[in-house]
Amino acid sequence: QKEVEQDPGPLSVPEGAIVSLNCTYSNSAFQYFMWYRQYSRKGPELLMYTYSSGNKEDGRFTAQVDKSSKYISLFIRDSQPSDSATYLCAMTQGGSYIPTFGRGTSLIVHP
Amino acid sequence: DTAVSQTPKYLVTQMGNDKSIKCEQNLGHDTMYWYKQDSKKFLKIMFSYNNKELIINETVPNRFSPKSPDKAHLNLHINSLELGDSAVYFCASSQDAFTYEQYFGPGTRLTVT
Repeated sequence: QKEVEQDPGPLSVPEGAIVSLNCTYSNSAFQYFMWYRQYSRKGPELLMYTYSSGNKEDGRFTAQVDKSSKYISLFIRDSQPSDSATYLCAMTQGGSYIPTFGRGTSLIVHP
Repeated sequence: DTAVSQTPKYLVTQMGNDKSIKCEQNLGHDTMYWYKQDSKKFLKIMFSYNNKELIINETVPNRFSPKSPDKAHLNLHINSLELGDSAVYFCASSQDAFTYEQYFGPGTRLTVT
């Protein structure tokens, strides 16, 4: 079992839909949780990071962490075709700044 | 203005050859990284340098040798290339070794035939 599990998709939604992207993990030592967006043939870019359980909102994006269930989510409201990309979750243990990545979920938002 | 650049973007070569990938960042960051993204899209850290000093060296074959001539540059040399080395290699940088935000380059797609 991988430390970080993420469904590769693809997830196809119509423009304007609310998107839910999820990861589960097995290592209870993970404390910091991140979401990266990777466009085709580009490097990943950090979207958001959160510490411990709870929600964090940034514009149309909300990151949610449930440490008791070892489950994290990224919600995208009012999705746009420009949101079409691969979304990678990542997490680090306390004292480490090197993330362990999920394999990414491919999102397609069609007009 | 490209923040983190890599050359070449594509590299096709035969087994047994030696090749290098170059990375440069113009962000003034102290820390640089090499990641490998395999065919299943998993992104894994290979090396990290802070101010030209190696600080992270994951379990990577010693055919891979990073070099940092200055803190703006981090190169990756690979000897005796194998089919399993085919992947996308990403360079990244961060302000320092205690920062979560890393800036990635566009990647170098290496194909070994």
